[in-house]
Amino acid sequence: KAGVTQTPRYLIKTRGQQVTLSCSPISGHRSVSWYQQTPGQGLQFLFEYFSETQRNKGNFPGRFSGRQFSNSRSEMNVSTLELGDSALYLCASSLEGRGHTGELFFGEGSRLTVL
Amino acid sequence: LAKTTQPISMDSYEGQEVNITCSHNNIATNDYITWYQQFPSQGPRFIIQGYKTKVTNEVASLFIPADRKSSTLSLPRVSLSDTAVYYCLVDPGSARQLTFGSGTQLTVLP
Repeated sequence: KAGVTQTPRYLIKTRGQQVTLSCSPISGHRSVSWYQQTPGQGLQFLFEYFSETQRNKGNFPGRFSGRQFSNSRSEMNVSTLELGDSALYLCASSLEGRGHTGELFFGEGSRLTVL
Repeated sequence: LAKTTQPISMDSYEGQEVNITCSHNNIATNDYITWYQQFPSQGPRFIIQGYKTKVTNEVASLFIPADRKSSTLSLPRVSLSDTAVYYCLVDPGSARQLTFGSGTQLTVLP
């Protein structure tokens, strides 16, 4: 069974550009969430999608957005990139919906460097 | 969301048992306690989850006292490959938003 797949694994952008990251969850998983990991702030929740609807959103500016498609694949977009957006962006999927405490399956992440 | 407190780092030697304790004084009735492991440049990996008393799986045990204000992850006979950051989380279950603390950097020495 394939795990969570994130693309691209590495990318370099310059300030002011935008970036789109992709996440393919484990087959059958309907919940996809995104996290940002930096050395200074650690792992922080960005948002979570379930059945194409954003259910939860973390404390990030509006430059961070996402969406989920009918096949549960998800994308996140960061516009007007800033140096501080350099981070490992992690996607996680889970089988159940709201109310279940099932485990999250994380991908290997997309390493974004903003110059 | 309940906040967790765990040691920043721990050292151990191969073959020893390692116990990492996490404090979560404000845990709510419906919260579960979950532990994840993370290697550098990889996503966290689920280790174990429990609600109360003791839970054991093929890689770890989780001990939760009756008041549930703390928990202890026990790793039996660690090896060098267990060197990683271990996160203790309180999972409210009502949403898929997990709050990761600083984690514990476990270093296993030969």
